[in-house]
Amino acid sequence: GQQVMQIPQYQHVQEGEDFTTYCNSSTTLSNIQWYKQRPGGHPVFLIQLVKSGEVKKQKRLTFQFGEAKKNSSLHITATQTTDVGTYFCAGQGDSWGKFQFGAGTQVVVTP
Amino acid sequence: KAGVTQTPRYLIKTRGQQVTLSCSPISGHRSVSWYQQTPGQGLQFLFEYFSETQRNKGNFPGRFSGRQFSNSRSEMNVSTLELGDSALYLCASSSQGLTNEKLFFGSGTQLSVL
Repeated sequence: GQQVMQIPQYQHVQEGEDFTTYCNSSTTLSNIQWYKQRPGGHPVFLIQLVKSGEVKKQKRLTFQFGEAKKNSSLHITATQTTDVGTYFCAGQGDSWGKFQFGAGTQVVVTP
Repeated sequence: KAGVTQTPRYLIKTRGQQVTLSCSPISGHRSVSWYQQTPGQGLQFLFEYFSETQRNKGNFPGRFSGRQFSNSRSEMNVSTLELGDSALYLCASSSQGLTNEKLFFGSGTQLSVL
């Protein structure tokens, strides 16, 4: 089963609003990556977090890695219609071998 | 530089048949991973190949198999297809398959089992 849980599964946002999606693991992660998949498209790499408590920003997107390296979040400010898509986190745990993806947060933006 | 190429783009099969999907990684990439994507389930890891060897494997039945060729191209085979195998199959490549490398995904093969 899934070892990386992602919430919410679905997010309906009004354009201009902020929202946050969360990624949680039951075990400590060595690193975490975030991907975005546009409707009908394939996942595209956004960012990687490695250090405990790390925060990275990409324009309106802010990514955080928890102090215990068991959770991560993606916060988007002033949502735009171009933010539509599904956002996946992918965790790497030493015992897993490869990245385990969360179920994704599907984001719908209303103009 | 060409991206990851997957063929075919769409496939329709019936139960009991078998299917082979192909993935050509980015030139120079030696690691190829395969994922199954279904609505609400995210991406489920199938296996990873590096230098023609399966290096990691997910929790899928033995009906799912793969291989990698000397040019790093990879194929995935599913035998005795079941309805539940209907999904988007994505492959992803990276240079060495190291933990700090990002994955480059292909457009996927949409498999429908009737």
